Amino acid sequence: EPEVTQTPSHQVTQMGQEVILRCVPISNHLYFYWYRQILGQKVEFLVSFYNNEISEKSEIFDDQFSVERPDGSNFTLKIRSTKLEDSAMYFCASSDRESTDTQYFGPGTRLTVL
Amino acid sequence: GDSVTQMEGPVTLSEEAFLTINCTYTATGYPSLFWYVQYPGEGLQLLLKATKADDKGSNKGFEATYRKETTSFHLEKGSVQVSDSAVYFCALSDRGGGYNKLIFGAGTRLAVHP
Repeated sequence: EPEVTQTPSHQVTQMGQEVILRCVPISNHLYFYWYRQILGQKVEFLVSFYNNEISEKSEIFDDQFSVERPDGSNFTLKIRSTKLEDSAMYFCASSDRESTDTQYFGPGTRLTVL
Repeated sequence: GDSVTQMEGPVTLSEEAFLTINCTYTATGYPSLFWYVQYPGEGLQLLLKATKADDKGSNKGFEATYRKETTSFHLEKGSVQVSDSAVYFCALSDRGGGYNKLIFGAGTRLAVHP
């Protein structure tokens, strides 16, 4: 069964460093998303992406964040200058054209900012 | 804005007990409703969904009915197993922006003992 994959599973970084979180969505999906979950809190929407552009972003997704689909398979989330409060689990998700509200999630990347 | 409220956990049950996890929502439109499950160390998996009032979603013995009059989508299972131990998330799909973002509840941890 096709699945969304994410790498790395755990990333540790120093405050102020740039990190790139990588995702490979399901191959025939066209809509891509990032969510995050701070430990003990709700899963929160960050951004949605379609047709090589951002379709919606939350207030969390400020200028320090960016997304990119650099080739036909990868979808990345970049944080330019990490803060302590960026420590969280980051989930990538994707959906197809026929069922855009049914999203399939990856296993997540745990980001720890020291 | 739209929101989802779930019963707080943890919920601790013996094997073969009946499970109910309450979920209520607030939405201005007519969202789709979802239950996702997160097993230890894994990502979010779609468990079931319902797209309109009175629809019943079901999967793996779990059921939930979209109740517009009570704005609820409670998750039920008649006989839980140890393997059902996980965190369960209720979510709605906010279609306001055209590209659907999911709004999650806080999650309910279920522990099933033999």
